[in-house]
Amino acid sequence: AQSVTQLGSHVSVSEGALVLLRCNYSSSVPPYLFWYVQYPNQGLQLLLKYTTGATLVKGINGFEAEFKKSETSFHLTKPSAHMSDAAEYFCAVSDQTGANNLFFGTGTRLTVIP
Amino acid sequence: NAGVTQTPKFRVLKTGQSMTLLCAQDMNHEYMYWYRQDPGMGLRLIHYSVGEGTTAKGEVPDGYNVSRLKKQNFLLGLESAAPSQTSVYFCASNQQGWRTDTQYFGPGTRLTVL
Repeated sequence: AQSVTQLGSHVSVSEGALVLLRCNYSSSVPPYLFWYVQYPNQGLQLLLKYTTGATLVKGINGFEAEFKKSETSFHLTKPSAHMSDAAEYFCAVSDQTGANNLFFGTGTRLTVIP
Repeated sequence: NAGVTQTPKFRVLKTGQSMTLLCAQDMNHEYMYWYRQDPGMGLRLIHYSVGEGTTAKGEVPDGYNVSRLKKQNFLLGLESAAPSQTSVYFCASNQQGWRTDTQYFGPGTRLTVL
């Protein structure tokens, strides 16, 4: 079965600094990969997704992620953090068995320090 | 256009009580999903539906039942609540399944079972 590992349950960055949230997956075939953001007391919102094609994917709010098959990684980055980026971020990988399922990581809480 | 709504937002149950969580979407989506979110566990799929009158089991279906009598509504039932079902429950929907289509999430229902 697919699984997702998010390194670091909490990440703190200064406002204006680079944001790097790590995601590694295990899958025997190239999966579909997703990053979701969850603001306090809200549901999840899709940031970006990788299905096929270009390995560098751009999402909303200035975020991007790069699919690296050799490293089985899909790290999320943003060049300059804003206070409004403080939230919890979830990486997810598709179910390759054909069922309609996403496997989510345990999440990374991002704190932005003024 | 309200998107995905969930009722209720909060609920406290005693062990053995029953309740039904309601998810409604006004986007005419075919697919609907119920997830639970637990600390340190990410989101896990409970049940899903690929259309009116259909349901299927996800990753953690035990102790839950679902029904999709109307296309816009997806009900999650707990027949005999247990403390292990204390969680935040999220509903989601999309038109074509996760492979090609973004999932839209509701704001969540926080359930506590005493």
